[in-house]
Amino acid sequence: SYELTQPLSVSVALGQTAKITCGGNNIGSKNVHWYQQKPGQAPVLVMYRDSHRPSGIPERFSGSNSGNTATLTISRAQAGDEADYYCQVWDSRTVVFGGGTRLTVL
Amino acid sequence: QVQLQESGPGLVKPSETLSLTCTVSGASISGYYWSWFRQPPGKGLEWIGYIYYSGSTNYNPSLKSRVTISVDTPKNQFSLSLTSVTAADTAVYYCARGGPGDPLDYGGQGTLVTVSS
Repeated sequence: SYELTQPLSVSVALGQTAKITCGGNNIGSKNVHWYQQKPGQAPVLVMYRDSHRPSGIPERFSGSNSGNTATLTISRAQAGDEADYYCQVWDSRTVVFGGGTRLTVL
Repeated sequence: QVQLQESGPGLVKPSETLSLTCTVSGASISGYYWSWFRQPPGKGLEWIGYIYYSGSTNYNPSLKSRVTISVDTPKNQFSLSLTSVTAADTAVYYCARGGPGDPLDYGGQGTLVTVSS
């Protein structure tokens, strides 16, 4: 079965750029979606089809996908960006989630 | 604005069946795929399965033998049934819109289901 690998945690200084990676075999051939989950809340879609932002998501969020790694980039990180982030793909008509990355803004 | 709301018992006994319903408002259930996923306390997300408005389904292979997802288009609802539950099925259960290739773009707030005697 297809697997997605994310770092357990990423730290970023306030106002700097955070990069959260999602690794998978030839993931560049798939559409990657990203979700943000704050404590006690439901996951929220922040990026779809690699690099498309849903309405209401700040331009500070961007995404890329190539080869074996997809990346969610958060520029000018804010305290409100602290959350768990999950990548997701579809494989053989089933959903695969990454294990999630805890983003800490220092 | 599309809204989804999960409903159902918050406590289920071991070996019994977990049943949840997701009510969709602000959009017709017709023409879309609808999914269920869950999150055990302190853990990551696990997809359970999806249903197309026409009734076709696909399930997580690890849960397939115990899961049924159904749709009620006149009520604009879809439902989850998970049989023979154990403590490992304790989780927050979410419903969402989305099917093959698509993001899960709208989701409910989630409902905690605890399996305990």
